Amino acid sequence: DIQMTQSPSFLSASVGDRVTINCKASQNINRYLNWYQQKLGETPKLLIYNANSLQTGIPSRFSGSGSGTDFTLTISSLQPEDVATYFCLQHNSWFTFGSGTKLEIK
Amino acid sequence: EVQLVESGGGLVQPGRSMKLSCAVSGFTFSNYGMAWVRQAPTKGLEWVATISYDGSSTYYRDSVKGRFTISRDNAKSTLYLQMNSLRSEDTATYYCTRAYSSYINWFAYWGQGTLVTVSS
Repeated sequence: DIQMTQSPSFLSASVGDRVTINCKASQNINRYLNWYQQKLGETPKLLIYNANSLQTGIPSRFSGSGSGTDFTLTISSLQPEDVATYFCLQHNSWFTFGSGTKLEIK
Repeated sequence: EVQLVESGGGLVQPGRSMKLSCAVSGFTFSNYGMAWVRQAPTKGLEWVATISYDGSSTYYRDSVKGRFTISRDNAKSTLYLQMNSLRSEDTATYYCTRAYSSYINWFAYWGQGTLVTVSS
């Protein structure tokens, strides 16, 4: 089974900061990696699919990069509404999720 | 607007059964694969089962094979998860999810989830 290691678990940053969240796969997953956002009390929302494709309607401050085993979600300029938990999903071989990153505003 | 609404969760004793439902709206249900994903308290997310758009193919994680059955009624736009021989480790919030497209099965849309608690 493919394992996904997500870091950090918790992140505190200021409005306007550039924020990065990482996921590392235990084996090559090509670019089959998605990123999701889950705000408190809301359903998870797809942000990025296939490593770097922005889902329709998602602000352009969100971007994804990486391939193989190492992937990054970047928020270019953190906004107050970005407070949420972010998690990755590999879909190269069945499905495995990262453990999540809780993002808060300093 | 895509909407997925789960129901049927609650408290159940170990060894007993429970059936979850997911009523959908805002898209043509029969065109998309569907799946259940769960999250145990203080744990990460875990894929449980997937069903093809027409119900002809189903897939399960090893820990639920033989105990859980995913099914769908395209006429009623409803997804189901029949859970038998429940164990304490099945305690989780269960999310209904819709595939990205008819042939891409990862999870594009999620419901709010329904909590299943397995305890005596």
